[in-house]
Amino acid sequence: DQQVKQNSPSLSVQEGRISILNCDYTNSMFDYFLWYKKYPAEGPTFLISISSIKDKNEDGRFTVFLNKSAKHLSLHIVPSQPGDSAVYFCAAGYGGATNKLIFGTGTLLAVQP
Amino acid sequence: EAQVTQNPRYLITVTGKKLTVTCSQNMNHEYMSWYRQDPGLGLRQIYYSMNVEVTDKGDVPEGYKVSRKEKRNFPLILESPSPNQTSLYFCASRPTLQGGRVGTEAFFGQGTRLTVV
Repeated sequence: DQQVKQNSPSLSVQEGRISILNCDYTNSMFDYFLWYKKYPAEGPTFLISISSIKDKNEDGRFTVFLNKSAKHLSLHIVPSQPGDSAVYFCAAGYGGATNKLIFGTGTLLAVQP
Repeated sequence: EAQVTQNPRYLITVTGKKLTVTCSQNMNHEYMSWYRQDPGLGLRQIYYSMNVEVTDKGDVPEGYKVSRKEKRNFPLILESPSPNQTSLYFCASRPTLQGGRVGTEAFFGQGTRLTVV
């Protein structure tokens, strides 16, 4: 039962263009969502997050959009740079006893120079 | 430098030979957890710990043990490793906010690639 899904295993984008990474979830009880970036041979690093009470959060070139009615979030990277090439994981979490973070399967972004 | 440190980074072992992967964080975080990453499955939580001497199962705990005797360390123990535990393992910690809530952002170690033959 995959509660957080990233249906695109990979995405290729030209440098300077917009990258849009998508994530769908099934549990309407999630309180917050995060995006992580992972380079080969390194651990995931936090990129940006959004609370379930918001629909947009922006940090420099990175913007996350949340559509609660569609249970969908997306990460926009504008403009894309070759250094953005990495695996991107979305994650969703809720408080309570476990404070669990549930991760998607990841999307490999390749930004072509 | 604030960090989560895992050792070893790479390990090849044989079926049934007990092993321990260490994890240490220097951020005084109370919440720590272990994940495994497998192709097509993303990151799945194995165990987590809310504080010293408080641990609980995650989504895929079978074949693993943990201990939390001190706040900074959270070792992952495989008593009798099997080939299906070949995976990439990550330790993570999360800060404690005012009021005792667990912070949303997780800080990850660099990973341990384990191969069981």
